[in-house]
Amino acid sequence: DQQVKQNSPSLSVQEGRISILNCDYTNSMFDYFLWYKKYPAEGPTFLISISSIKDKNEDGRFTVFLNKSAKHLSLHIVPSQPGDSAVYFCAASYLSGSARQLTFGSGTQLTVLP
Amino acid sequence: GAGVSQSPSNKVTEKGKDVELRCDPISGHTALYWYRQSLGQGLEFLIYFQGNSAPDKSGLPSDRFSAERTGGSVSTLTIQRTQQEDSAVYLCASSLVPGQPTREQFFGPGTRLTVL
Repeated sequence: DQQVKQNSPSLSVQEGRISILNCDYTNSMFDYFLWYKKYPAEGPTFLISISSIKDKNEDGRFTVFLNKSAKHLSLHIVPSQPGDSAVYFCAASYLSGSARQLTFGSGTQLTVLP
Repeated sequence: GAGVSQSPSNKVTEKGKDVELRCDPISGHTALYWYRQSLGQGLEFLIYFQGNSAPDKSGLPSDRFSAERTGGSVSTLTIQRTQQEDSAVYLCASSLVPGQPTREQFFGPGTRLTVL
């Protein structure tokens, strides 16, 4: 049972346009959501996060939106650049005992075309 | 080094053999996590260490998988009698404060395991 779902395995966008990556979750206990970016042969690197008490968080070209009622979050990249081409993983967590574990989606390959 | 390192970067083995994967976390990070990514799948949680103890082993897929951590630092993930379905990229991450929001999990580059 996938608790975090990214239904689009790939997305192509023209340079300068907006990229929108989507993520859905099922577990109501998740209270923190993150986006990670992964280049080939490298580990994922943290990109941006949002707490469940917020509905939007912005960091430069990256904005994450959270719709708790729909259990949906999205990552907007504006403007998209060729260097943004990577796999983007959505992740969610909640505090269990003394630690937080990440539950990841299956990723979306973003290709930004020059 | 400054980041999480893993070795080997690639491992090809024959079905039925044992393999050991190593993770060197960032110095001072008390929490260490193992994940794996199978082809076309997301990252799957395997096990979490706080210091040398593993309070959560719930993600280990079978008893062929085990992990240990010594000295609160290096961790080894061992897969016994490997099967073809074990083929995946195994990722290690570490964090300074395990209970904090997990933006502080830093990932290594992974070990790509191929079981023939």
